[in-house]
Amino acid sequence: AQSVSQHNHHVILSEAASLELGCNYSYGGTVNLFWYVQYPGQHLQLLLKYFSGDPLVKGIKGFEAEFIKSKFSFNLRKPSVQWSDTAEYFCAVMRGGYSTLTFGKGTMLLVSP
Amino acid sequence: GAVVSQHPSRVICKSGTSVKIECRSLDFQATTMFWYRQFPKKSLMLMATSNEGSKATYEQGVEKDKFLINHASLTLSTLTVTSAHPEDSSFYICSASRLREAEQYFGPGTRLTVT
Repeated sequence: AQSVSQHNHHVILSEAASLELGCNYSYGGTVNLFWYVQYPGQHLQLLLKYFSGDPLVKGIKGFEAEFIKSKFSFNLRKPSVQWSDTAEYFCAVMRGGYSTLTFGKGTMLLVSP
Repeated sequence: GAVVSQHPSRVICKSGTSVKIECRSLDFQATTMFWYRQFPKKSLMLMATSNEGSKATYEQGVEKDKFLINHASLTLSTLTVTSAHPEDSSFYICSASRLREAEQYFGPGTRLTVT
C-alpha cells in the first residue's frame, strides 16, 4: 500500500532560522505531490503542489519544495521562518490517474519569537 | 474562490443516536467530494469518495452502513454517522474538487463527540 512518511513529528525553530521538512512516499509510478498547512484553529490550506515540469516548486508565503524522483522525496523548505509559520504541515500524494490523496502524519512546527 | 464549509463545526450526541454533517462548496461546483477522519496526532484518513449522483466509494475498513454518505447535488454532500458510539468521536473533514482538477479544497472540519 502506498504510504507517505514525514520524518519529524515536531520541529521547534527560532524566528529567522531555515526550515526543511522531509517527505517521502512509497509509490513508484506517476505522482502528484502536495504540501498543506493547518494553522491553529483553521482548516487545511494548500501551500504548493507539483504535477509536472520544474521539480522546484514555489508556493505561498515564501515556501518551496523540491521533487527528487530518484529519492521519492518532496521536501518543504523556507529560508527564514516567522512566528506566524507556527502550524501543522502535511505532505500528501496523489497517484497518477486517481483522485484520492494519501497524507503523511503531519509535522507540527513551532516558531519561537 | 473555492470555499468549502461544514456544518456543524461541533456536535455532541448521545450514544446510539445518529448525527448528520453537511459539506458545502460555496462558490464552485464540486463534482467530487471526499470525507476524512482525523485522529489526535495522526494523519487524515480518507473514509470515502463521493461523486455527485453516484454511490460513494468507501475505503477499506470503513463501514458504509455506519457512515452514510449522500452527494445529491454539485454543492452538497452529507455524512451521517448512524448509531454513534464513543469510538466514533473524532474530527471529520470534507474536501471538494472541481471536474478534471486534482486539487482538493478543504472544509474547516466538524468535531464530533459521542457521550
